[in-house]
Amino acid sequence: DTGVSQNPRHKITKRGQNVTFRCDPISEHNRLYWYRQTLGQGPEFLTYFQNEAQLEKSRLLSDRFSAERPKGSFSTLEIQRTEQGDSAMYLCASSLGPEQYFGPGTRLTVT
Amino acid sequence: AQSVTQPDIHITVSEGASLELRCNYSYGATPYLFWYVQSPGQGLQLLLKYFSGDTLVQGIKGFEAEFKRSQSSFNLRKPSVHWSDAAEYFCAVVPASNRDDKIIFGKGTRLHILP
Repeated sequence: DTGVSQNPRHKITKRGQNVTFRCDPISEHNRLYWYRQTLGQGPEFLTYFQNEAQLEKSRLLSDRFSAERPKGSFSTLEIQRTEQGDSAMYLCASSLGPEQYFGPGTRLTVT
Repeated sequence: AQSVTQPDIHITVSEGASLELRCNYSYGATPYLFWYVQSPGQGLQLLLKYFSGDTLVQGIKGFEAEFKRSQSSFNLRKPSVHWSDAAEYFCAVVPASNRDDKIIFGKGTRLHILP
C-alpha cells in the first residue's frame, strides 16, 4: 500500500502523560501536514512541513506540542503533559501540490 | 471573515433519492475547492476537486459538484444515493493567496440514508 499511514490508530493515555504519533507520507510527496479534528467539527490545520523544514504552525499548537520531520520523510507529533482537551483525531496528509492525501488518523483519548 | 460554510449539519435522504449538499465560501479570489468524505473513525477521502476550467466536475462514487462563481458556491450532488454513502461530507478550500496549500474545512454535513 502506497498511501499515507499513521500509527498508532488509537491511543488512550492518562492526563499528564506524553504521547507521540507517527505519520508516513506517500514517498515522493515533499509536503506533510498535521490537522486536528474534534467531535462534530472539520479538521483544523496544526502545522506543515516542506521537506524537513517546518514552515508554519497554527496558534492551536501550544508549547506542549512539537512536530518533526527528520530527513524529510516520516513525521512525528509529540504532545507533552496531555490534557483532556487534547482528545481528538489527529490527521496527517501529504502532497506535492494543492491536492492532499490523508491518512486514517490517530484517535487520542486522554482520561 | 474568510470562511467555508456548510449550512446543513445533518441531511437524511431515502436510498435511491437524489442528493445535494450545500457549500459556500467567502474568499476574495476563487480558491481551490474540494469535497472530502469521512466514514466513522476513518480518515478523509477526496471525492472531487475544482481548480479551474469546466465548472461541473465529476468525482468518484458517482458524485459531481458545480462551481458557481456568482454565488460563491460549490454544491455536491449525486442522482441516486446508496446506503454506503452514509458518512460525513466536508467541503474544503485552499485560498488563492495561500502559498502553502493549507486546507480550510467546513464543519461538515452528516448524511443519513433511509432504507
